[in-house]
Amino acid sequence: LAKTTQPISMDSYEGQEVNITCSHNNIATNDYITWYQQFPSQGPRFIIQGYKTKVTNEVASLFIPADRKSSTLSLPRVSLSDTAVYYCLVVGRPHNFNKFYFGSGTKLNVKP
Amino acid sequence: GAVVSQHPSWVICKSGTSVKIECRSLDFQATTMFWYRQFPKKSLMLMATSNEGSKATYEQGVEKDKFLINHASLTLSTLTVTSAHPEDSSFYICSAHTTGGSDYTFGSGTRLTVV
Repeated sequence: LAKTTQPISMDSYEGQEVNITCSHNNIATNDYITWYQQFPSQGPRFIIQGYKTKVTNEVASLFIPADRKSSTLSLPRVSLSDTAVYYCLVVGRPHNFNKFYFGSGTKLNVKP
Repeated sequence: GAVVSQHPSWVICKSGTSVKIECRSLDFQATTMFWYRQFPKKSLMLMATSNEGSKATYEQGVEKDKFLINHASLTLSTLTVTSAHPEDSSFYICSAHTTGGSDYTFGSGTRLTVV
């Protein structure tokens, strides 16, 4: 199972773009990169998933270089409500109900 | 989208008693669910994989007799914390994969406090 490494914490201000990078050097060919957001006392919430290059949805973008050994979650114009912990996970597909493990996550603190 | 309902959202129990936590997939069938626990300011720790119709598989270091998992139907998995002690106080979270989907959906979590 690919291990992920993220910064423990990051600070930002409202309106700024935030980029959180995740390292996954041992990613396998059939692994996908998925990011989750977690607020205190809540379960994680899916943000975005990708395999290579760039993926964008209504809340974030995910950039994955050609070697796929890292990925960057980009949150445009963050607000105070984006203060949360963000987890990067690498999960094999087809899923085959693969179990997966959480890394330490990145605590994003958005200041006014 | 897929919804996983977890109940109760919080529970307080006395030492020595047992507590059951339910995890339901509301609009899809989940042959496999996962149970995690999370301590304050820490990451989620996988406890076990719950398989419908068969025994759960536990992660190393997790006591299977302490944390009983039952996955009797395609939409329900339960975690029972037996003979609870204060050190079992934690945030428990379940998750399920939607067949044909691309991600895992998590329940809202259960805050267990043992006094």
